[in-house]
Amino acid sequence: GESVGLHLPTLSVQEGDNSIINCAYSNSASDYFIWYKQESGKGPQFIIDIRSNMDKRQGQRVTVLLNKTVKHLSLQIAATQPGDSAVYFCAENIEGSNYQLIWGAGTKLIIKP
Amino acid sequence: DVKVTQSSRYLVKRTGEKVFLECVQDMDHENMFWYRQDPGLGLRLIYFSYDVKMKEKGDIPEGYSVSREKKERFSLILESASTNQTSMYLCASTGQTEAFFGQGTRLTVV
Repeated sequence: GESVGLHLPTLSVQEGDNSIINCAYSNSASDYFIWYKQESGKGPQFIIDIRSNMDKRQGQRVTVLLNKTVKHLSLQIAATQPGDSAVYFCAENIEGSNYQLIWGAGTKLIIKP
Repeated sequence: DVKVTQSSRYLVKRTGEKVFLECVQDMDHENMFWYRQDPGLGLRLIYFSYDVKMKEKGDIPEGYSVSREKKERFSLILESASTNQTSMYLCASTGQTEAFFGQGTRLTVV
């Protein structure tokens, strides 16, 4: 039978430029959203989170935007550096689910020198 | 510094062996999770536990079991390892906010 490969979405960005990684979620009852960064050979690490009563949150060089109308989440990384190369995952928590997160498939960010 | 520790980074086991993957967290978290991660499939939840001796099936529990005898420790058990269980296994724990992950165990079943 035919096997179907699943390819990770990839974003390629010039060093120093801003990166925008997008994520769509499906559940209107999701009340908490998190972005994780996973470097090669390591477990995911927390970057930034946002609750559903907010539409924007800023950290150090990162900003998360939440658009509940279209169920869209984005992560913006300012002045992308080589150390930002990783796979980025968004995760959503459905209210009342005991923090059983629902994970996106991930986006691989590649930094061009 | 908060920590989730998985007992092994790399394991190679034979088909049919019983395999134990151990995870310990030092944050007094109630919730602990086991995921497997395969290329292009993201993180898939195997089992989770929200209290000592409590366990719930995740999305792909077949072929796995878990044990939570103490709050800080959550074990994943492969009763009879098969080659399709070759994967990266990630343990995580949560309190009221984000999940903290271990470094992962890359298991190869031959």
